[in-house]
Amino acid sequence: ELKVEQNPLFLSMQEGKNYTIYCNYSTTSDRLYWYRQDPGKSLESLFVLLSNGAVKQEGRLMASLDTKARLSTLHITAAVHDLSATYFCAVDNSNYQLIWGAGTKLIIKP
Amino acid sequence: GAGVSQSPSNKVTEKGKDVELRCDPISGHTALYWYRQSLGQGLEFLIYFQGNSAPDKSGLPSDRFSAERTGGSVSTLTIQRTQQEDSAVYLCASSLRSNQPQHFGDGTRLSIL
Repeated sequence: ELKVEQNPLFLSMQEGKNYTIYCNYSTTSDRLYWYRQDPGKSLESLFVLLSNGAVKQEGRLMASLDTKARLSTLHITAAVHDLSATYFCAVDNSNYQLIWGAGTKLIIKP
Repeated sequence: GAGVSQSPSNKVTEKGKDVELRCDPISGHTALYWYRQSLGQGLEFLIYFQGNSAPDKSGLPSDRFSAERTGGSVSTLTIQRTQQEDSAVYLCASSLRSNQPQHFGDGTRLSIL
């Protein structure tokens, strides 16, 4: 059974700092997603990582995938307040079913 | 429309009543998913539709839950004889194909009194 663990589950940081969110999963998968959710809002797709060593960047966010270690990271560079949200990773269990992490609530203080 | 549309956005009902939640996916998307999100939690898969194939109902928590998708487009999730533990946000997502990123609606916040 595929299990997905994120850590930390809660992160409070100052603007301008760097930090990394980790997503570990328990069985082989070649497709991993990162989503963002603002309070009271729905989920927004950020990245799709499809192969070992994949790295994608959008603004201050960079995601990477190591399929051998079953690990993905979401790195935040020089955080700004607008990045405050809950971030979820989700791993493809088969061709269509995603198994979700519990989410990392990120608060960035001015 | 441009995105996935869900209705109602909020639903408050008494325990024991039936509720029906609606999802209108993005036009042309063949895959449709229902999830449940409890407060502060991740997403729990409920059911998946792909084209005209039989749906994957493996995530439905009990036989009080059912869903259908008519004409390969609009879907309804029905919860019969609601219980307080059914209180959650119910999210619908669609994707162009099953291996494509899922686009989410704003969800229906269901509260059972």
